[in-house]
Amino acid sequence: EDKVVQSPLSLVVHEGDTVTLNCSYEVTNFRSLLWYKQEKKAPTFLFMLTSSGIEKKSGRLSSILDKKELSSILNITATQTGDSAIYLCAVASGSARQLTFGSGTQLTVLP
Amino acid sequence: NAGVTQTPKFQVLKTGQSMTLQCAQDMNHEYMSWYRQDPGMGLRLIHYSVGAGITDQGEVPNGYNVSRSTTEDFPLRLLSAAPSQTSVYFCASSPRDRVREKLFFGSGTQLSVL
Repeated sequence: EDKVVQSPLSLVVHEGDTVTLNCSYEVTNFRSLLWYKQEKKAPTFLFMLTSSGIEKKSGRLSSILDKKELSSILNITATQTGDSAIYLCAVASGSARQLTFGSGTQLTVLP
Repeated sequence: NAGVTQTPKFQVLKTGQSMTLQCAQDMNHEYMSWYRQDPGMGLRLIHYSVGAGITDQGEVPNGYNVSRSTTEDFPLRLLSAAPSQTSVYFCASSPRDRVREKLFFGSGTQLSVL
């Protein structure tokens, strides 16, 4: 059974701080690891990391996949109040017909 | 661009009642799925479909039925609602290519079963 564990469960920071969110996984036949951001309701896609693409960056957000340690981190620099959300990590195996999600990290950025 | 549309947004049921959660997408995506989200448990897959006429079970399928008669629609049926089915339900879709993991989610349905 595939498993994804995220830490910390919640995090409170002030604007301008840098945060690191963690995701570790156990999966047979690893295909990809994904990060989603959930504000209010629907999760939205952030990054997908695979064996051939272990580092992604978009603006202040970046993510790295460590296949040896079976983990990933999501970094957010110069945080803003708009970064407040739940950040979800998921892994896909095999044909990617099913994703396994972690329980998420609730990030709160105070002004 | 509507994307993935879910209805209703909120629903209260009594134990034993049945209902259907509607999901429609206008992106011609072949893959559609239903997840439930409970506090502290992340998103769990209920059922999914890789195309019209094809459905399969996910991690937590008991108490739910699905069908896929068209590419656009993927309704989720609760046969006899139970309090354990109180949750937020999300429908998601993705294209049938090598980035099928990139899910597009609907805005969710908050369901309470009394």
